[in-house]
Amino acid sequence: ETGVTQTPRHLVMGMTNKKSLKCEQHLGHNAMYWYKQSAKKPLELMFVYNFKEQTENNSVPSRFSPECPNSSHLFLHLHTLQPEDSALYLCASSQVGAVRTSGRAVFSNEQFFGPGTRLTVL
Amino acid sequence: KQEVTQIPAALSVPEGENLVLNCSFTDSAIYNLQWFRQDPGKGLTSLLLIQSSQREQTSGRLNASLDKSSGRSTLYIAASQPGDSATYLCAVREGAQKLVFGQGTRLTINP
Repeated sequence: ETGVTQTPRHLVMGMTNKKSLKCEQHLGHNAMYWYKQSAKKPLELMFVYNFKEQTENNSVPSRFSPECPNSSHLFLHLHTLQPEDSALYLCASSQVGAVRTSGRAVFSNEQFFGPGTRLTVL
Repeated sequence: KQEVTQIPAALSVPEGENLVLNCSFTDSAIYNLQWFRQDPGKGLTSLLLIQSSQREQTSGRLNASLDKSSGRSTLYIAASQPGDSATYLCAVREGAQKLVFGQGTRLTINP
């Protein structure tokens, strides 16, 4: 596996179900992110993890619960969701700090995205 | 609050044409700007990243420019091909790690 992978790719769940989304990055990065992409709205940042520690929660409802057991894995635990939570959930990773490019140190923090999980809440 | 706007929302052109996609942002205090491509139902593929100190970046048929003072970026696609059909997203990085995205331009290249 290369890059950023996400499972499952598609998920249909009822409002009373509990499910989890999984993300794994194979890039050796130290930061991971969850984004939500709803129809007709820009991509929204949900959570940021640096070195397994959550550093940003963008006012996300508590029915979304992230978990980052190590710098390569990120989970999003879902419970009692609403139909309006139906969306494409994207995971990303990046290297925070300097990256050497052509002998120079560059602080780009370029984010690399997974293919997403298409979630439908009935 | 940073806002990113992409115009047009949708664009359809015949194959072979050169085209320009526009991105504007309201707060010029950005670290960098990234252009992404998204195919239907798929994740994002990073195309180009321009640091705030740079004016442009090129990759193959793609050229992205950045004018930070006026809050604008353009993505130029030369000699468009049907395989270029996708949604193109612009995102600015503000703060250490936060990306703020535009809503995208849906591009269709007609054979």
